[in-house]
Amino acid sequence: NAGVTQTPKFRVLKTGQSMTLLCAQDMNHEYMYWYRQDPGMGLRLIHYSVGEGTTAKGEVPDGYNVSRLKKQNFLLGLESAAPSQTSVYFCASSWDLVGSEQFFGPGTRLTVL
Amino acid sequence: GQQVMQIPQYQHVQEGEDFTTYCNSSTTLSNIQWYKQRPGGHPVFLIQLVKSGEVKKQKRLTFQFGEAKKNSSLHITATQTTDVGTYFCAGDSGAGSYQLTFGKGTKLSVIP
Repeated sequence: NAGVTQTPKFRVLKTGQSMTLLCAQDMNHEYMYWYRQDPGMGLRLIHYSVGEGTTAKGEVPDGYNVSRLKKQNFLLGLESAAPSQTSVYFCASSWDLVGSEQFFGPGTRLTVL
Repeated sequence: GQQVMQIPQYQHVQEGEDFTTYCNSSTTLSNIQWYKQRPGGHPVFLIQLVKSGEVKKQKRLTFQFGEAKKNSSLHITATQTTDVGTYFCAGDSGAGSYQLTFGKGTKLSVIP
């Protein structure tokens, strides 16, 4: 099993460009999450999903959109990238929302110029 | 909103010395999880604590959950170079919060 995979691994955007980050998991998890990690800031939740077709906002959702059309995939979109969105993005999935370990993907390092 | 504070931010130890990181929440937690992130890697789950006063051990790692379920600690005995990385605690306040709140992490460096 691959676990949680993310594509791409690295990306450089210019301000105003758009892109989509793809997360895929093969563990049949219901719950999926997108986090961003900035130096000294820990992990902050952007959006999450409790199942196929459902999404919800996390702590820092502004400037991002998500979709969960298939159970195994969770997409994170940036419609108009800004330098403040330069970060490392991690996707994670879990069996349950509460009291369940989260399995993280390898991350996407995004730079917005 | 819920805040999870973690100290220290950095810790440099000589190999063989002990290490402790502390986690404090502004609210009572239903459970707390600990993760380790190696340099350049992704967070990996270590353990979950659920009960008040709970203590769990994994080889040289000892995890504690406070009696009031508002604080936790991770203690590593006799650090090794393989312990290098950032340790995060993550708290869940329950009551349908649907999200873990992560501390900012403690970055551990081990000097051989």
